[in-house]
Amino acid sequence: QSVLTQPPSVSGAPGQRVTISCTGSSSNIGAGYDVHWYQQLPGTAPKLLIYGNSNRPSGVPDRFSGSKSGTSASLAITGLQAEDEADYYCQSYDSSLSFYVFGTGTKVTVL
Amino acid sequence: QVQLQESGPGLVKPSGTLSLTCAVSGGSISSSNWWSWIRQPPGKGLEWIGEIYHSGSTNYNPSLKSRVTISVDKSKNQFSLKLSSVTAADTAVYYCARRYCSGGSCYYYMDVWGKGTTVTVSS
Repeated sequence: QSVLTQPPSVSGAPGQRVTISCTGSSSNIGAGYDVHWYQQLPGTAPKLLIYGNSNRPSGVPDRFSGSKSGTSASLAITGLQAEDEADYYCQSYDSSLSFYVFGTGTKVTVL
Repeated sequence: QVQLQESGPGLVKPSGTLSLTCAVSGGSISSSNWWSWIRQPPGKGLEWIGEIYHSGSTNYNPSLKSRVTISVDKSKNQFSLKLSSVTAADTAVYYCARRYCSGGSCYYYMDVWGKGTTVTVSS
């Protein structure tokens, strides 16, 4: 039931920069609702990574950054590290569905 | 620091009712936050199930609304999920989470999550 589309996987070597896209529509991201990002390490619960499009909770390294434009959003990881291997999900609110929607998820692999 | 802990049976029979509880510690469930349930089928993505405010107000995912009931027990500082008429498709890790509110405004993200509990629907 995901209405936010993400690439299934992205990969990069240690130290490189990777980006994850999150494509929505006029009833969610395009309607002005904020995008939030979660990191899910293997076998653990999701953890809030970015809120309000580009804000980092306390304790999240500044290697992680978010942006939003039009009906899409992006998460960038700079200086990729081995511990960044995880699944990443974007999330927003959809006014047509009237509930919170998650992206399809992206697996980040550090080569 | 608010912490959440899910509990409940790990195995439910088809057509039965799944019942889970989320205990809130380090804070009050009567604080101005919404309390959510989210699930993740094996190898799949996240699906929002519903949420409750301490007043008892609820919001549900329309696709599950006919089968879901979320309730709050302020005396025990916990909230609960009941999902009826379960099938194998309801097999998932179930998470409880807090949707953050502050200064009279509620935001559309979940800032605190429980560790999750696995529920398998099988005879």
